[in-house]
Amino acid sequence: EAGVAQSPRYKIIEKRQSVAFWCNPISGHATLYWYQQILGQGPKLLIQFQNNGVVDDSQLPKDRFSAERLKGVDSTLKIQPAKLEDSAVYLCASSLSGSSYEQYFGPGTRLTVT
Amino acid sequence: QQPVQSPQAVILREGEDAVINCSSSKALYSVHWYRQKHGEAPVFLMILLKGGEQKGHDKISASFNEKKQQSSLYLTASQLSYSGTYFCGTEIAGVYGGATNKLIFGTGTLLAVQP
Repeated sequence: EAGVAQSPRYKIIEKRQSVAFWCNPISGHATLYWYQQILGQGPKLLIQFQNNGVVDDSQLPKDRFSAERLKGVDSTLKIQPAKLEDSAVYLCASSLSGSSYEQYFGPGTRLTVT
Repeated sequence: QQPVQSPQAVILREGEDAVINCSSSKALYSVHWYRQKHGEAPVFLMILLKGGEQKGHDKISASFNEKKQQSSLYLTASQLSYSGTYFCGTEIAGVYGGATNKLIFGTGTLLAVQP
């Protein structure tokens, strides 16, 4: 069974530039999550999708972050414009349905904003 | 709402035991445990649902006391491969005690196992 795929693995941009991350969850997983993990901290949920609908985006900085999950499969997370404090690892995870099931994480994208 | 883990860090010798605690200020529906090695993604260990259950596989087990809103992870006879940062993820219970499908990860516990 293929795992959660993410790209790119690394990205370096200057502040005020834009960046996009892509995630392809495990086939058949209805729930998809985007987390932000700052060095030394636990993953922080940015947005949670159930199929192609948003379940929770309460911690997504909507003035600069956006995410979509078209057709209930893969997803993109965009930051525009980026700030220095956005430097972090962005993790995508998927689960069968809801948080009561184990989450499978992708390898993450390490973003550095200079 | 972020659960608090203790200790923040622990150093063990191979073969020693460790306990990692996770405490929430909210009523919980479930607790998840993950291990993350440096530079890698978190890997699922186990889920405990409310009902005060205890789970385990191999030498890693966990308990969930829903009345105290606490969970503990037990690592027995630790191996070098156990090294990493352990995170608990707590799912707050809904108004009627059901699932809310929202996981909040704790502060993390760094575990280092030395030969």
